Amino acid sequence: ENVLTQSPGILSLSPGERATLSCWASQSVSSSYLAWYQQKPGQAPRLLISGASSRATDIPDRFSGSGSGTDFTLTISRLEPEDFAVYYCQQYGSSPWTFGQGTKVEIK
Amino acid sequence: QVLLQESGPGLVKPSQTLSLTCIVSGGSISTGGYYWTWIRQPAGKRLEWIGRIYTGGSTKYHPSLESRVTISVDTSKNQFSVKLTSVTAADTAVYYCARGKAVAAGYYYFDYWGQGTLVTVSS
Repeated sequence: ENVLTQSPGILSLSPGERATLSCWASQSVSSSYLAWYQQKPGQAPRLLISGASSRATDIPDRFSGSGSGTDFTLTISRLEPEDFAVYYCQQYGSSPWTFGQGTKVEIK
Repeated sequence: QVLLQESGPGLVKPSQTLSLTCIVSGGSISTGGYYWTWIRQPAGKRLEWIGRIYTGGSTKYHPSLESRVTISVDTSKNQFSVKLTSVTAADTAVYYCARGKAVAAGYYYFDYWGQGTLVTVSS
């Protein structure tokens, strides 16, 4: 299976700063079938990005995704207070679908 | 707005069968183009895709669980279910149901998720 590794495990930043989250795949992700999700405590995961770079409905444009092959990035241009959460990448290019272990973005 | 809600026992004894149902509202489960999926997350571990069912009834499961898992759909009740047999403590996790939006036949990402339900396997 395609193992996804996210870095860093924890990102400590202040509101207004830029966040850069990485996701590496052990095998190339076909057709850039990679998604990003945000999860807050006690809540369901929320889709942010699909197809590596397409923002989901109602997702603010401060969230952007990029990458292809085995290297992908989620960037939050200016952190808002509501952005502090755990972020997961997930590939849907080869079965079984797999997730990264998550990056926690916490307030510094 | 599509909503998914998991329901089922929060405690299951070892060797027994875990059964959960996901009730879908705000959209018909019979609508084509969606893969109805179960995902779980043991405490402190990453999310794990369990399997999915398509509207027509075709299923696909994680290879590590294939011998123990069954996903079914009840279109009359707009819900789908998962059964996992012969459970052990390793099956203790938060279980999520999710809607997979197809981008091509067999390929989908998750656009709506349930809140999740904790299932503990313990005697």
